[in-house]
Amino acid sequence: DTAVSQTPKYLVTQMGNDKSIKCEQNLGHDTMYWYKQDSKKFLKIMFSYNNKELIINETVPNRFSPKSPDKAHLNLHINSLELGDSAVYFCASSQDRGWRETQYFGPGTRLLVL
Amino acid sequence: DAKTTQPPSMDCAEGRAANLPCNHSTISGNEYVYWYRQIHSQGPQYIIHGLKNNETNEMASLIITEDRKSSTLILPHATLRDTAVYYCIVSPAGGTSYGKLTFGQGTILTVHP
Repeated sequence: DTAVSQTPKYLVTQMGNDKSIKCEQNLGHDTMYWYKQDSKKFLKIMFSYNNKELIINETVPNRFSPKSPDKAHLNLHINSLELGDSAVYFCASSQDRGWRETQYFGPGTRLLVL
Repeated sequence: DAKTTQPPSMDCAEGRAANLPCNHSTISGNEYVYWYRQIHSQGPQYIIHGLKNNETNEMASLIITEDRKSSTLILPHATLRDTAVYYCIVSPAGGTSYGKLTFGQGTILTVHP
């Protein structure tokens, strides 16, 4: 059973389009995250939700909007896609939001903006 | 967040122990040391974490120096599947940084036959 799953795995789209990436975890965790890994392989946190409440919001353009319909799901919607948005996006979850919590990552969504 | 320094790359022979060092000289007293790894094209995977005592689990051992300014991740019997980027991360001590893992460049470990 996949603990943290993301869809789609690959996403190729044109500049200016709006797209969404979905994430689901079946671990019963309360906290979920979105990370971005750029072409230089740096992995940076974007957002974190705890029980559907936004708790971490890094310096991310307003075009990125996370949505958590329930604590098992955290989706990422991106408006007006730009070339620089091309990256691998990873979803993760942890039992709680504490800084001692282990995070479990999904397989990633490879986004290519043309 | 405390900064960590790791060598960019290391090699290890299959079946031998892989010892990956990490410096974190500015670590605070209540900050944990975490190790994650990322195998090519996969999401990061948790390995182990510790505060000040040495820790061991089914994947690895973590040795933290007494002054906590450095640590070593030990893979006792490296296999080809252990080839990955290994990240040493010092967790923030709470506040608004809950759950915020800051990944550096990590160490590319290559295990060869």
